[in-house]
Amino acid sequence: ETGVTQTPRHLVMGMTNKKSLKCEQHLGHNAMYWYKQSAKKPLELMFVYSLEERVENNSVPSRFSPECPNSSHLFLHLHTLQPEDSALYLCASSPSVELPGADTEAFFGQGTRLTVV
Amino acid sequence: GEDVEQSLFLSVREGDSSVINCTYTDSSSTYLYWYKQEPGAGLQLLTYIFSNMDMKQDQRLTVLLNKKDKHLSLRIADTQTGDSAIYFCAETSSGGSYIPTFGRGTSLIVHP
Repeated sequence: ETGVTQTPRHLVMGMTNKKSLKCEQHLGHNAMYWYKQSAKKPLELMFVYSLEERVENNSVPSRFSPECPNSSHLFLHLHTLQPEDSALYLCASSPSVELPGADTEAFFGQGTRLTVV
Repeated sequence: GEDVEQSLFLSVREGDSSVINCTYTDSSSTYLYWYKQEPGAGLQLLTYIFSNMDMKQDQRLTVLLNKKDKHLSLRIADTQTGDSAIYFCAETSSGGSYIPTFGRGTSLIVHP
């Protein structure tokens, strides 16, 4: 248990569906991240939020829409996905993206295994 | 090339030592990490080292950092079958934000 909880753990959705992934942390962290983990590829950073503001968006298609209503919660809204979007989606949090010298390690959730059919 | 590189597979016999290697390109890297991912699970931080250190030991784990060559290694002594997992090297740099950059991960297979 890392303190970062993701739901659901598994999700199967059709290409025309709309679904949301949820991530929650009560570690007091200010930064939250979405990563995509596909087979045989490096872990891909998708979005970064710092103090509820998006600070990085790595050219992610608009069919992925993040939302950070407060510093403890992060969502990833999905719509009209493609089969190649099937992957493990990992949420992480860390104390800050900006403080030099602070403990900077990220804590990860267990991930949502997404299958697009 | 990628910012953080690792070999994809390592196979060892139970009881032997495992050494997982990583190279990185960012000379301003400040923290370097090793994460472990077991099947069906998220990433778990194993250990980390600050860039002004050469070595860090934590029970069966030894991290070595060669900053000149930008080379990081993780040695697992007396490797057990429970150590079978994917091990990710990651780094954060001082150039702005501390967003970690990950390697592809090394699959460690421990056989009897």
